[in-house]
Amino acid sequence: AQSVAQPEDQVNVAEGNPLTVKCTYSVSGNPYLFWYVQYPNRGLQFLLKYITGDNLVKGSYGFEAEFNKSQTSFHLKKPSALVSDSALYFCAVRDGGSQGNLIFGKGTKLSVKP
Amino acid sequence: NAGVTQTPKFQVLKTGQSMTLQCAQDMNHEYMSWYRQDPGMGLRLIHYSVGAGITDQGEVPNGYNVSRSTTEDFPLRLLSAAPSQTSVYFCASSYAGTSGYEQYFGPGTRLTVT
Repeated sequence: AQSVAQPEDQVNVAEGNPLTVKCTYSVSGNPYLFWYVQYPNRGLQFLLKYITGDNLVKGSYGFEAEFNKSQTSFHLKKPSALVSDSALYFCAVRDGGSQGNLIFGKGTKLSVKP
Repeated sequence: NAGVTQTPKFQVLKTGQSMTLQCAQDMNHEYMSWYRQDPGMGLRLIHYSVGAGITDQGEVPNGYNVSRSTTEDFPLRLLSAAPSQTSVYFCASSYAGTSGYEQYFGPGTRLTVT
């Protein structure tokens, strides 16, 4: 069965420091991986995805993610965190047997302090 | 282009009452889905559809019904509300198929069942 794990419930970072939000996955076949962000009382916004190709994927708001097939990881990164990056971040993998279903991790709350 | 819209934003129901959560999209997406979001559990798929007239169950379908009479609309019906259905509900849409299309989410409906 396909699954996604986000091992950290919360990540705390000082503004200006680099941030990493971790995600590992388990899939059969090639993984289609996604990151979404949710600001308080809002819906989910798409940040970036990995389908194939370059292992470093660039997305919205300066975020990027590194796909590592040997470690089955897809960590979200940003070189310099902003207070406005504080939000809930979800990693997701496409269910290979479906025409679009996503399997989500439980989410990681990112808190960036000034 | 409104994207994915959901109504209502908030709803309070008594146990046993029924209601319909509305979802519409104007992007001509074949795939639509409903998720519920509960604290610490990420998003769980309730029902999905890959086109008008086609629906299928997700991970947590019990107590919910869907139909897809048009490409644009995908309502979610609660047949007899229970306190366990207190949650935030999100509708999402995307192109269907085996490629890694990202999903677009609505703003959510916060439902409380007393």
